Amino acid sequence: GAGVSQTPSNKVTEKGKYVELRCDPISGHTALYWYRQSLGQGPEFLIYFQGTGAADDSGLPNDRFFAVRPEGSVSTLKIQRTERGDSAVYLCASTVQGNGEQFFGPGTRLTVL
Amino acid sequence: GENVEQHPSTLSVQEGDSAVIKCTYSDSASNYFPWYKQELGKGPQLIIDIRSNVGEKKDQRIAVTLNKTAKHFSLHITETQPEDSAVYFCATKELSSGGSNYKLTFGKGTLLTVNP
Repeated sequence: GAGVSQTPSNKVTEKGKYVELRCDPISGHTALYWYRQSLGQGPEFLIYFQGTGAADDSGLPNDRFFAVRPEGSVSTLKIQRTERGDSAVYLCASTVQGNGEQFFGPGTRLTVL
Repeated sequence: GENVEQHPSTLSVQEGDSAVIKCTYSDSASNYFPWYKQELGKGPQLIIDIRSNVGEKKDQRIAVTLNKTAKHFSLHITETQPEDSAVYFCATKELSSGGSNYKLTFGKGTLLTVNP
């Protein structure tokens, strides 16, 4: 079946702009994670959803970052007033339940000029 | 919070040789230790994992060992092939104080190159 999909695959924006990154998890997966991967680094946790609610958003770096999952399936990561330091690959993962194997999408490469 | 150290950062081997990647972690509460392979332009893919009640696990050419006392675990790849070339990440899983979060903490990765 289809895996985790993320759109767009690449996003180039200018400093100060607003961006939205979308994640479509595997059908039936209740848990969804967002990670950020900077060049040459491992993924770093941002936020975790169980169903529609954010169970843990302790990894969000500041209040410019926000994520939603209104119907418990698709999730959108929103970044306001983007900064050059936000440039990274944003990865989404989903699991059948919170403690299952995490299946990752291909990521969205965000470049802030 | 958890801190995961991974070594080496790069590893180059000849086809057919073995490759070993090592990780240490700090949080004794971690009880799940997966290894991911990431190819260029793709997301990480789970290749093998081990739980804290097991010391070693093997799957064909890949094996993982865990020493909970020393807080370290290793990935072993035997009979390496050019298609094994990729970035490998170790990770640990911990529970939040609420007992409901299963976030992964990753090492910085090892770029493995298998030369034909």
